[in-house]
Amino acid sequence: EAGVAQSPRYKIIEKRQSVAFWCNPISGHATLYWYQQILGQGPKLLIQFQNNGVVDDSQLPKDRFSAERLKGVDSTLKIQPAKLEDSAVYLCASSLDSQMPYGYTFGSGTRLTVV
Amino acid sequence: SQQGEEDPQALSIQEGENATMNCSYKTSINNLQWYRQNSGRGLVHLILIRSNEREKHSGRLRVTLDTSKKSSSLLITASRAADTASYFCATEGFQKLVFGTGTRLLVSP
Repeated sequence: EAGVAQSPRYKIIEKRQSVAFWCNPISGHATLYWYQQILGQGPKLLIQFQNNGVVDDSQLPKDRFSAERLKGVDSTLKIQPAKLEDSAVYLCASSLDSQMPYGYTFGSGTRLTVV
Repeated sequence: SQQGEEDPQALSIQEGENATMNCSYKTSINNLQWYRQNSGRGLVHLILIRSNEREKHSGRLRVTLDTSKKSSSLLITASRAADTASYFCATEGFQKLVFGTGTRLLVSP
């Protein structure tokens, strides 16, 4: 089966600019996650979708970050305006069902550098 | 916030040796998972152990879980240079997967 697709692979922007990341999960996976991974740290969950509804966005900085999952398939994560501390790898993952003990499948990530 | 802490933060061994990484966590869990991350790439799921299991094997991997101590260990036997990567434990509870800080493993030929 095809994996989780993410684009772009790399992005460099200036602070205060806006940026958007795209994710296409594995077909049939109901649950989609966005994680932020700062260099040298483990991934931190930003937002979790079940189909097209938000399950958990408690760690999403909502003053600048937004995410949507249209029709329960693809998802976009947006940052506006970006800050230097947003420099990180943004990982998208999907799983068959958040209530079942399955491993998650991760995309290759988008490496964001804010200068 | 990150649930798990891993020990050691970095580990350097020779090919053929065994590598052991430990993970401690704080709250009750449904399961614990281990992931590998090669430099600049996404995470790859290695193995999942449920909270009612104590040990699990997959190829050269052996995972143990002690829920009374809230700890887990990952053993990689007969390591290879290709095992060089960062390894993360992740705990699942309340439908949320929370990652630890990771162990960087370097296997030298």
